[in-house]
This record gives sequence, C-alpha cells and structure tokens, in this order.
Amino acid sequence: GENVEQHPSTLSVQEGDSAVIKCTYSDSASNYFPWYKQELGKRPQLIIDIRSNVGEKKDQRIAVTLNKTAKHFSLHITETQPEDSAVYFCAASERSYIPTFGRGTSLIVHP
Amino acid sequence: DSGVTQTPKHLITATGQRVTLRCSPRSGDLSVYWYQQSLDQGLQFLIQYYNGEERAKGNILERFSAQQFPDLHSELNLSSLELGDSALYFCASSTYGRTEKGEQYFGPGTRLTVT
Repeated sequence: GENVEQHPSTLSVQEGDSAVIKCTYSDSASNYFPWYKQELGKRPQLIIDIRSNVGEKKDQRIAVTLNKTAKHFSLHITETQPEDSAVYFCAASERSYIPTFGRGTSLIVHP
Repeated sequence: DSGVTQTPKHLITATGQRVTLRCSPRSGDLSVYWYQQSLDQGLQFLIQYYNGEERAKGNILERFSAQQFPDLHSELNLSSLELGDSALYFCASSTYGRTEKGEQYFGPGTRLTVT
C-alpha cells in the first residue's frame, strides 16, 4: 500500500516568515494529494489539494507543488500569521482513492 | 461547520465494553469514511461506505464494524474495548465514492476514552 512520509514534525517560524512542509509518497499510481489543517481539538479541514496532472497550485498565501518523478509534494505558506498555527497533514490517494495521511507537522507561528 | 455531525462528542467506558459512534453526512453526500486518530498512529483510515455498501477497508480491527443505513447515516461499532482503542474517531463524507472527485468533509469527532 501507499506510504507517506512528512517532514518536519515540528516547524517554528516568526510571523511574516514562510513555512514549507514536505511529503514523499511511495506509490507512483497516486494521483490526488490533499493538505489538511487541524487546529487543536478541531476537525481536519482541507486547505488545498493538487492532482497529478498539475505541477503547482496556489490559493492566496498557500501553494502546493508536486514532483511526480521524485514522488514528493510540498506545502508553502507565505507571510505566516499566528492563526496559521496548527497541525498540517498531507495525504496521497492511490487506486483505492482512500487517502493515506502523513504523520502531521505542528506549525507554530510566533508573533 | 462542515455539515457532518457526530455523536456523542465524548465517550468514557471501561475495557471489555461495546460502544456505538454515530455519523450523519452532509446533505447529498453518499460516501462516509471513518478514521481513527491517536497520538502515536496519526490519522488512520478504517472503512468507507458508499450509498449503503462497503466500498473500502483500511486498518480496521475485527472487533470493529460499521454500517451505513438507507438514510445514509453511519454507525461505527467498537466491541471488546481495550485501552489502546482510546482515540479520536472522525467521520468524513464526500459526494462521490472516489476522493479525487470530491473533497472530504470531516465531522467534529468523538473522543473515546477507555479506562
């Protein structure tokens, strides 16, 4: 089955800095890569997703890039704000279309 | 608010007991997914139902079972509970059976504590 590795496990940045979270996946058949944000005690919420026919997608301060050859994808958050502090999960979806999640990255944005 | 509801919010029970968690998907969504989230295992997919039928199975223990009813709500049954079953259980729903065709909307979760 699919295996998703996510790094780093913790990321601490100053407000206004950029944050980058990286994920690698194992199954070359994976073709859907969502990112979820989970605030403490809350539900995971989809913030952006990318499909295998696209290399990059942007939504305001958030962007995701995908390198299918290397089997990795990344989340980029620019101009970070304290409210960006949360746990971020990447996921990869293979033939079964069920997402396999990474272990999560705890992002801390210091004011 | 995602439109997905889960009850109860919290559940405290003893080892060996059986509990039922309930999920109501967003209006119009046919797919329901169950996930277990624990500190050491992250977010693990358990099982998916689509329009009443089991569609996919993940790392679901034999002590666990689920079903989706004609009104599309779903129940996750956990039996012979062990301490290690303590976790947050999320249900998610989507319009289509395949995640690539529809965003998954997560419910608020049920926190299960087994003592």
